[in-house]
Order: sequence, then structure tokens, then C-alpha cells
Amino acid sequence: DSGVTQTPKHLITATGQRVTLRCSPRSGDLSVYWYQQSLDQGLQFLIQYYNGEERAKGNILERFSAQQFPDLHSELNLSSLELGDSALYFCASSATRANYGYTFGSGTRLTVV
Amino acid sequence: AQSVTQLGSHVSVSEGALVLLRCNYSSSVPPYLFWYVQYPNQGLQLLLKYTSAATLVKGINGFEAEFKKSETSFHLTKPSAHMSDAAEYFCAVSPSGNTPLVFGKGTRLSVIA
Repeated sequence: DSGVTQTPKHLITATGQRVTLRCSPRSGDLSVYWYQQSLDQGLQFLIQYYNGEERAKGNILERFSAQQFPDLHSELNLSSLELGDSALYFCASSATRANYGYTFGSGTRLTVV
Repeated sequence: AQSVTQLGSHVSVSEGALVLLRCNYSSSVPPYLFWYVQYPNQGLQLLLKYTSAATLVKGINGFEAEFKKSETSFHLTKPSAHMSDAAEYFCAVSPSGNTPLVFGKGTRLSVIA
């Protein structure tokens, strides 16, 4: 157990639907990062939150949004889902700076049918 | 923009043989460099990291990596491969301590008995 908890582990949904992925960071970590892993694109950085505030944005689609709550857990919302959104979505956390290294959760596998 | 290139999407070695996984980076400033391992159906686990201290970095499970600025490389090695080393390995870079990690495409390591 890495200390980063992601739920659900698997999600199957239809095109056009909306889903929410949840992440609880390791105790004491203030930064949360979301990554999308697919066979063709590899690991793509989506967005980072630090202590409740958006810190950095990567290749995140406008249909996707995220937030970090006062208890530091984070949610990634994916809407108007398309087949191409099928992927593994990872959450990672770190203490304060990225150079400390990330602790990853086990991921949420999203399948859009 | 910073980037990471991992040469070889798939490397196959015999059990007991040397493991060498290649990683080259591009960064305008001295970077922070990382190697992660991903076992099937799991999240990424930090193997080792370079943060401008010693150029030879030792990690978990007998792995080590050497930072070579002149070659912009950070290759991962292990003297003797074990069956349990079979996994996907990712090199990642952060040009500063506060920038989200950029990952390479990954190298799948197979170990043959």
C-alpha cells in the first residue's frame, strides 16, 4: 500500500456520460497530481493542485476538471466522455516539491463504451 | 520544453545478465531525474532519483543510475537481472523542483529464464 488511495479501481461507462475519480493523498502530502496513461500517449500530466489551489496545468481537456478539497483529497471530473478517454488515470502526491518524488496510487481504469 | 527519450520500448535479458535501460533528457537547466517501475496492474513505484548530489545514484532492488551531464543521459543499470525485475520502467524529468514530472514512453523489461 503506497498510502495514496484511488477509487474506484475500475469504471465502465457509456459515451457522453460524466464520471468522478477520487484520490486521497499520502498523509502529510500537500500536492496532488493527475496523470492519464494510455498505450499511444504514455503518461500525460493533466493537472496539479497544491494545498487546495491549482498549481500547474498540462494536457487537460476542457471537458475535464479537477479540484482539491480542504481535507486535501482530490477529484477529477470527466464529462462528455468519448471512446478515446478510455485509459488509466493515476493520482500521485508529494510533500511540497516535485523533486522529492511522487507516490502513486494504483490507478482507476476507465473504459468508455 | 523538457522531455525524456527512452531508447527501446522493449528490452529482453537473460536471468543473471546485466540490465541496461537508456534514458536521455533535454532540459535547459540542471534537472531532477527519476526512474519509476510499474508492475502489471499496479501504480508506479519510485526506484531512484537524482537531485544534484552524487552523480551515481543507488536505488531499491539493486538498481542504480548515473547522471552524465555531457551526454544528457541517466541510464538505469542492474548487474544481474532477476525474474522479478520484469516490469515497465519509466524515466522522468523535472527541470526544477516545482515543475510536474515529464515521463518517457517507458521500456518494458522481460527477463528470460
